[in-house]
Amino acid sequence: DTEVTQTPKHLVMGMTNKKSLKCEQHMGHRAMYWYKQKAKKPPELMFVYSYEKLSINESVPSRFSPECPNSSLLNLHLHALQPEDSALYLCASSQGRIDPIRNTIYFGEGSWLTVV
Amino acid sequence: DAKTTQPPSMDCAEGRAANLPCNHSTISGNEYVYWYRQIHSQGPQYIIHGLKNNETNEMASLIITEDRKSSTLILPHATLRDTAVYYCIASYNFNKFYFGSGTKLNVKP
Repeated sequence: DTEVTQTPKHLVMGMTNKKSLKCEQHMGHRAMYWYKQKAKKPPELMFVYSYEKLSINESVPSRFSPECPNSSLLNLHLHALQPEDSALYLCASSQGRIDPIRNTIYFGEGSWLTVV
Repeated sequence: DAKTTQPPSMDCAEGRAANLPCNHSTISGNEYVYWYRQIHSQGPQYIIHGLKNNETNEMASLIITEDRKSSTLILPHATLRDTAVYYCIASYNFNKFYFGSGTKLNVKP
């Protein structure tokens, strides 16, 4: 089972709303990721959690707030977003080992976010 | 992490081999080469990765040059379902996994 599940698949929110994107994996992975992808562009790394601690923040604006409640769950809390934040948000996970041989990253299908 | 360079698009006839090149001339000795693909509106899918030896799995083959400055992903018998954007990534650290611009492969009947 190599599944990363993201909910919701589609989200429309106003600029004053607070919403959350959720991600779950049951592969025993200890690293989890958030990527943002704009249309016709490659995914851009936002955050990496390793063993439930934030290890990478790629200078993401504070209106995006990640949370890793346990090793299987990853949330992205959204507040006061702008229309330009509309994008596909991808969650991913990996074993989190330094050894690249066993560190394949698996992606979910993404959450499409539209900010109006 | 090494920057990778790929052609923006390629065409391939259905049933023929698709050979997708990737240049990673600044790759360091401990960086692996990974290939992922992304079919329209789906999450990226892992294909294959390698360090310096050629690798093969049920999806594709990866050929890495001896100097490791470039690689080629080979889909032996492309089908219409292989139409996707293919990304080549060089990385040694699970914390640092950055996508380049990728190659849009169009498989035509």
